[in-house]
Amino acid sequence: QKEVEQDPGPLSVPEGAIVSLNCTYSNSAFQYFMWYRQYSRKGPELLMYTYSSGNKEDGRFTAQVDKSSKYISLFIRDSQPSDSATYLCAMEGGYQKVTFGTGTKLQVIP
Amino acid sequence: DADVTQTPRNRITKTGKRIMLECSQTKGHDRMYWYRQDPGLGLRLIYYSFDVKDINKGEISDGYSVSRQAQAKFSLSLESAIPNQTALYFCATSDLSGSEAFFGQGTRLTVV
Repeated sequence: QKEVEQDPGPLSVPEGAIVSLNCTYSNSAFQYFMWYRQYSRKGPELLMYTYSSGNKEDGRFTAQVDKSSKYISLFIRDSQPSDSATYLCAMEGGYQKVTFGTGTKLQVIP
Repeated sequence: DADVTQTPRNRITKTGKRIMLECSQTKGHDRMYWYRQDPGLGLRLIYYSFDVKDINKGEISDGYSVSRQAQAKFSLSLESAIPNQTALYFCATSDLSGSEAFFGQGTRLTVV
């Protein structure tokens, strides 16, 4: 079993839809949780960083962490074609050794 | 200038050749990382360095070596390249907390 599981998609949604991206994990030592966005042929870009259970909001993006269920989510409101990318969840349990999910490919259709 | 610059961006090399991938950063971060990305496997950590005198192996360090020449420079070497090292390689930096992190644009390496 992988430490971090992420559905690869692809996920296709119409413009304006609410997108929900999810990851589950098995390692209870993970304390810090991140979401990255990666456009084709580009490096990952850090979108959200959180270290506690609950929600963190930044513009149209909301990161949610449920440590009891070992489940994290990223919600994108009012999705735009420019949100089309691969979204990677990532987790860290200490010493800044980050474990990444395999990524979910999102396509927002105009 | 990009925050994290990788050179070369693309490289094709032959089996058995030594190759070096270079990374430089302008963020002033002490912490630097090398990852490889493969379809279906995601990003995997090869080596990381928390300062100039600190080098640590990641989960897939076999066949690779690194050198931290300065705070801003971290290079990855493949001593004797093999085809299964064909991948997309990323350099990254982060601050002490990890809440600020930057990746380079990647180096697409093909070993034939």
